[in-house]
Amino acid sequence: KAGVTQTPRYLIKTRGQQVTLSCSPISGHRSVSWYQQTPGQGLQFLFEYFSETQRNKGNFPGRFSGRQFSNSRSEMNVSTLELGDSALYLCASSTRNTGELFFGEGSRLTVL
Amino acid sequence: QKEVEQNSGPLSVPEGAIASLNCTYSDRVSQSFFWYRQYSGKSPELIMSIYSNGDKEDGRFTAQLNKASQYVSLLIRDSQPSDSATYLCAVMMGGYSTLTFGKGTMLLVSP
Repeated sequence: KAGVTQTPRYLIKTRGQQVTLSCSPISGHRSVSWYQQTPGQGLQFLFEYFSETQRNKGNFPGRFSGRQFSNSRSEMNVSTLELGDSALYLCASSTRNTGELFFGEGSRLTVL
Repeated sequence: QKEVEQNSGPLSVPEGAIASLNCTYSDRVSQSFFWYRQYSGKSPELIMSIYSNGDKEDGRFTAQLNKASQYVSLLIRDSQPSDSATYLCAVMMGGYSTLTFGKGTMLLVSP
């Protein structure tokens, strides 16, 4: 059974640009969550989707957005990138309303 | 603000010893608690979940929960160098599958 797949794995952007990250959950998992991980702040919750609906959103500015498609694949977008957006963005999927998350390898974003 | 607190470490233990990792949380109504392990350069992986007061054992790992004290711990018996990693405590505070993570405790097991 394939795990959670995130693309791209690494990317470099400059300030002001935008970026789109993709996540394919484990087959059968309908919940997809996104987290930002930085050395200083640790893992911080961005948003969670279930059946194409955003059920929960973390305390991030509106530049951070996401969506989920009918096949449960999810994307997140960050517009007007800032240096502080440099981080590892992790996607996780789960089967039901539990905290038993399965994480992808992450997308490491560097903003110059 | 709802928080999960962990000592950042590193916690250093010799091979074969018991490693004790601790976590406190601020939201008294939290019901679900998790320990994730993250190796350097890798993504977190779930190792234990606990939902009721008391102990839950799984192989060399024991999770302990005390809701009255808002305290969760993870014991690793017979620690191995391969256990060297950052251990993340996570608490379900926002419902659904939303977790609030602590910043993690780095564990170093020396041969």
